[in-house]
Parts: sequence; C-alpha cells; structure tokens
Amino acid sequence: GESVGLHLPTLSVQEGDNSIINCAYSNSASDYFIWYKQESGKGPQFIIDIRSNMDKRQGQRVTVLLNKTVKHLSLQIAATQPGDSAVYFCAEGSRGSYIPTFGRGTSLIVHP
Amino acid sequence: EAEVAQSPRYKITEKSQAVAFWCDPISGHATLYWYRQILGQGPELLVQFQDESVVDDSQLPKDRFSAERLKGVDSTLKIQPAELGDSAMYLCASSPKFLGSYEQYFGPGTRLTVT
Repeated sequence: GESVGLHLPTLSVQEGDNSIINCAYSNSASDYFIWYKQESGKGPQFIIDIRSNMDKRQGQRVTVLLNKTVKHLSLQIAATQPGDSAVYFCAEGSRGSYIPTFGRGTSLIVHP
Repeated sequence: EAEVAQSPRYKITEKSQAVAFWCDPISGHATLYWYRQILGQGPELLVQFQDESVVDDSQLPKDRFSAERLKGVDSTLKIQPAELGDSAMYLCASSPKFLGSYEQYFGPGTRLTVT
C-alpha cells in the first residue's frame, strides 16, 4: 500500500554541522507534508510543513525540500545543536483529510 | 504556554485487565485525537473527536477499545481486556480547527506495558 518511509534510522552529527534527514513517500496523491520532532518522553512537535505546489520552504534554522519527481522529502537543519537531538518523523496528508500519516522515525544524535 | 495534559504517564497492567487513560486538551480546542505509537514508529490515529462527537474511529479496535469525550472537553480512552500487543505509547493531541489545518498539539503520552 501507499506509505511514507525514511532512508536512515540514525544520523549522528557534530554540533555546528548541518544535518539532512531524508524521507521517501509513495502516495502521489499526497499534497501536504509535515516534519515533526519528538524528544524522549514527549509527544511529537510540529516543525515545518510544505504543500505539494512548493519545492522549498524555510523556517528558523530549518529548510524542507520537496522533490515530487522522485517523491522525496528532506529536512535540513542548519548549525545543529545538542537540543536538536530527537527522533524526526515525516508525515503526509491529502486534501480533505487532515490526519497525517506518519513514516518511520530517524534518530538524530548531535555530539557536542 | 498551554499544553495537552495526559495521565498517567506510565501504566503497567497484566493482560486481561482493564486500563484507562485520560487527556485534557488545550483550552478551547474543539478537536481531540487519540493516537497509538509503537516504539520506533510514527503515531497512528485511533479516534478523532469534534467536540463530544466521534468523527473518525475507523482504526479503533472496538471489541476492546472505547473512547469518550462526554462534555466535549477532556477525554478517556479505555482498553478492556488489555492484550500483550497493546503495549505502546498512547498519545493525545488537540487542535483549534476541525478541517483545513494539520496544526496539532501533542501531549506527553501514556506509556502502557502489558505483562
């Protein structure tokens, strides 16, 4: 069936480096994509979203890129900090249903 | 800053026992969601409420799970009887909007272990 998944389960980076977390999706009908951050012992926290009619969106230290040709989504975190250590989930949704379908998480570990 | 409250944070129960989780959404949020999250995976929707009405419970195992939001504010999710496969994190989320937004605020969750 249609699904959203992540390429790498764990990503280790040094503090100050840029991080890139990737996500592949297979549902071509998805028109909305969201990134969530989940810290240990907490629920997911919305980071940034992007609609399918866009290919890039920037937030504070984060950028999401969408490549519809290859059905690929990425989250870039600039100047990664120890506080960015968490599990990151991509999720997708379709117009008319505002319940996100989550993919597998990627654990980001930031070394001081 | 307003937060979604959940209790208990941790629950250990034996299989075949009953267990209940409570959620208090952010004040004024009409939409409330219950999700189940297995370790390492993303949350999966169990039930969605709009005020006191169930909007979507298609993924709720109704033979053993029940959810209510009697006054359209706080909500309770019950499992009876619990099974080993129910061990997971149960997350509650709320949203100020019904449709047109993915803006959801999650609580800290209740981690259930069934032995």
